[in-house]
Amino acid sequence: DLQMTQSPSAMSASVGDRVTITCRASQGIDNYLAWFQQKPGKVPKRLIYAASSLQSGVPSRFSGSGSGTEFTLTISSLQPEDFATYYCLQHHSYPRTFGQGTKVEIK
Amino acid sequence: QVQLQQWGAGLLKPSETLSLSCAVYGGSFSGYYWSWIRQPPGKGLEWIAEINHRGSTNYNPSLESRVTISVDTSKNQFSLNLTSVTAADTAVYYCARAQWVVSAPPFDYWGQGTLVTVSS
Repeated sequence: DLQMTQSPSAMSASVGDRVTITCRASQGIDNYLAWFQQKPGKVPKRLIYAASSLQSGVPSRFSGSGSGTEFTLTISSLQPEDFATYYCLQHHSYPRTFGQGTKVEIK
Repeated sequence: QVQLQQWGAGLLKPSETLSLSCAVYGGSFSGYYWSWIRQPPGKGLEWIAEINHRGSTNYNPSLESRVTISVDTSKNQFSLNLTSVTAADTAVYYCARAQWVVSAPPFDYWGQGTLVTVSS
């Protein structure tokens, strides 16, 4: 199975900070990667698909990049509503696999 | 607007069978795969299985021996059965929509989630 490894697992940041989360695939997945945001008690929400395409309605401070085995999710200026857990997901092959998550907490 | 509404028993004893269903409202039922995903308390997301309107399925090998997924196209519903549950199967279970091909971005619509607790 393809393994997806996120780093860091957790981080503390302040409002206005630039935040970068990394996701590494155990083998190349082209650009078949999505990012999800999940707030406590809520359903995951897709932010980014195809590594860098912004989901409709998602603020432009979110961006994704990467191809092959290394990908990043960047929040250009962290807002209070962005404190959440973020997951990457590969949609290159079965079984579909998620990263373990990155929790972004308030500093 | 696509909506997924799920339901099922929330408390099971070890060795029982977990049964959940998900109904799809709005949009097309055919032309998509319909997935189940779970999340143990405080942990990450795990994809379980998916099915399309023709009954074609894909399973996570880690759960395949215990999982059955089925579809009822007359009701635009699909269901999950997970046999011989243990405490390790305690999780919030979600249904979600995926695209026809694995390479297309999945999980744009989700059900509300169902907490299933396995306890004696």
